[in-house]
Amino acid sequence: QQQVKQSPQSLIVQKGGIPIINCAYENTAFDYFPWYQQFPGKGPALLIAIRPDVSEKKEGRFTISFNKSAKQFSLHIMDSQPGDSATYFCAASIIFFRGSTLGRLYFGRGTQLTVWP
Amino acid sequence: EAQVTQNPRYLITVTGKKLTVTCSQNMNHEYMSWYRQDPGLGLRQIYYSMNVEVTDKGDVPEGYKVSRKEKRNFPLILESPSPNQTSLYFCASSLGQGASREQFFGPGTRLTVL
Repeated sequence: QQQVKQSPQSLIVQKGGIPIINCAYENTAFDYFPWYQQFPGKGPALLIAIRPDVSEKKEGRFTISFNKSAKQFSLHIMDSQPGDSATYFCAASIIFFRGSTLGRLYFGRGTQLTVWP
Repeated sequence: EAQVTQNPRYLITVTGKKLTVTCSQNMNHEYMSWYRQDPGLGLRQIYYSMNVEVTDKGDVPEGYKVSRKEKRNFPLILESPSPNQTSLYFCASSLGQGASREQFFGPGTRLTVL
């Protein structure tokens, strides 16, 4: 069973557009939601992460919106650039459970973003 | 330079021939993990280690073994590889003991099992 569902699978926008990638989860115990960015031939790298106690987090042109009641979160890329063309993964994990930190990180299936100049 | 290294980067092998993919980090990280990446399936966790001598299964542990005898190294062992283990493998590490800290990924190992 897929713990984190991500959509769309691919996305094409023009330079300056605002691509939005959506993720949904079922497990209400999740309390850490990172987004990773992966360029071709490279390993993923952390882009931005959010905890469920806030509804929005911005880092530069990247914003996570978090809707705890809907169990959804999304990544918005403002003023997108060709250099943002990459695969984006959302993920979720549980920080603490019964006093112990946990080691599982569940990824979505990824969104391949292409930004045309 | 702080990094996660994996070797080999590319490997073509045959069914049943045991192989080991090495992973090493120089950041004194507690947590290490292995993932496989397949088209349309994203990244799936194979095994992880919260600390030396502590390992546990992820989503897809079947057919894989790991060990964590030293903090810096976390090798992935395929005792009898099969074609369905053809994939892109990533090792990652992070400072905390759990998965909920920034994970630093290696460059990947592309494995083909014939």
